[in-house]
Amino acid sequence: KQEVTQIPAALSVPEGENLVLNCSFTDSAIYNLQWFRQDPGKGLTSLLLIQSSQREQTSGRLNASLDKSSGRSTLYIAASQPGDSATYLCAASTSGTYKYIFGTGTRLKVLA
Amino acid sequence: GAVVSQHPSWVICKSGTSVKIECRSLDFQATTMFWYRQFPKQSLMLMATSNEGSKATYEQGVEKDKFLINHASLTLSTLTVTSAHPEDSSFYICSASRLAANTQYFGPGTRLTVL
Repeated sequence: KQEVTQIPAALSVPEGENLVLNCSFTDSAIYNLQWFRQDPGKGLTSLLLIQSSQREQTSGRLNASLDKSSGRSTLYIAASQPGDSATYLCAASTSGTYKYIFGTGTRLKVLA
Repeated sequence: GAVVSQHPSWVICKSGTSVKIECRSLDFQATTMFWYRQFPKQSLMLMATSNEGSKATYEQGVEKDKFLINHASLTLSTLTVTSAHPEDSSFYICSASRLAANTQYFGPGTRLTVL
């Protein structure tokens, strides 16, 4: 059974710092892994999608990597801004079912 | 492209009533739709998977008679919370995917509050 864990659960950093969010999954047989942002009381905003055959994806200040062999993905945020404050969720699409198993989330606060 | 809408965005109801939430794919045909539930400060938990024209598949621990799912067309799925109680208060999010695609597109969510 796929389990997805995110570390840390919460993170507070000063504006301008580069930071890394971690996502671990137990079953390496995934179709893809996706990173989302969720603002309080809101739905999900898709940030980056990495297919199982890919190693990383980049969008602006965001870079996500995928290492299936170790069951890990990281989301790198460069030059963080207060507007980046949100909860970041990763989700692994389970091979054979297309189901998404979500991680526990990392609550990020970027201080001005 | 790939926009998913939900209606209503929020609803408040009395205990014992039933509530229907709609999930629509606006610009693509969604052969599969998923329903998730999110309790405060927790992550999303998959409730059920529905394929157009067939019965939904529920995750373990989800009562199919309480959470009725209908996926009657390629652009619409509905979730009905029957005889809602305060413990059903949650944020319900749907997602949709195209035929043989492994990417899901998420709706904005519906916040249900049962008094």
